[in-house]
Amino acid sequence: GQQLNQSPQSMFIQEGEDVSMNCTSSSIFNTWLWYKQEPGEGPVLLIALYKAGELTSNGRLTAQFGITRKDSFLNISASIPSDVGIYFCAGLTGNTGKLIFGQGTTLQVKP
Amino acid sequence: DAGITQSPRHKVTETGTPVTLRCHQTENHRYMYWYRQDPGHGLRLIHYSYGVKDTDKGEVSDGYSVSRSKTEDFLLTLESATSSQTSVYFCAISGSPQATYGYTFGSGTRLTVV
Repeated sequence: GQQLNQSPQSMFIQEGEDVSMNCTSSSIFNTWLWYKQEPGEGPVLLIALYKAGELTSNGRLTAQFGITRKDSFLNISASIPSDVGIYFCAGLTGNTGKLIFGQGTTLQVKP
Repeated sequence: DAGITQSPRHKVTETGTPVTLRCHQTENHRYMYWYRQDPGHGLRLIHYSYGVKDTDKGEVSDGYSVSRSKTEDFLLTLESATSSQTSVYFCAISGSPQATYGYTFGSGTRLTVV
């Protein structure tokens, strides 16, 4: 089946540092989504990308939809302790409405 | 609050017993999904529904069944629980077939099979 490879698996950074994570696939996606999950909660949508090459920001978060439609990345600038959590990429193909998720990137921020 | 609740939030059950998890939504969304989350695997789709009594299998459906008799409720049943089904289960809803704006997730059910 389709798979998304998300990296890195985990990151431990100092407060104030920038963070970058990415997702790649052998399949083409029409939509890329980035979610954040905090402990004990379900994932919450951060950014949605709909066109190849699209660059979208949400506060300190910036995400891009790769030109090949097979990858996406998420950057977090000037990290703060509340950025801690698991970040998931997700891709949508065709008209099925079924999202395929990456394995997640666990982010820890040291104050 | 997106109006999606899962129950119970936590459950411990014995191997071989049937277990039913409930997802309830107040958004009148047509599309509902059950995922399981395990370390190193992200979220994997178990079953989904595109309307009342319309359901289909996801990538990890073995050992699970679902039912949707009303728009607002989507039930996940583990027919005979096994230790490999110890996981966190998430329900999600979507208002469009293309899930254009992504899914909205519930807070999850942590299931432990002993």
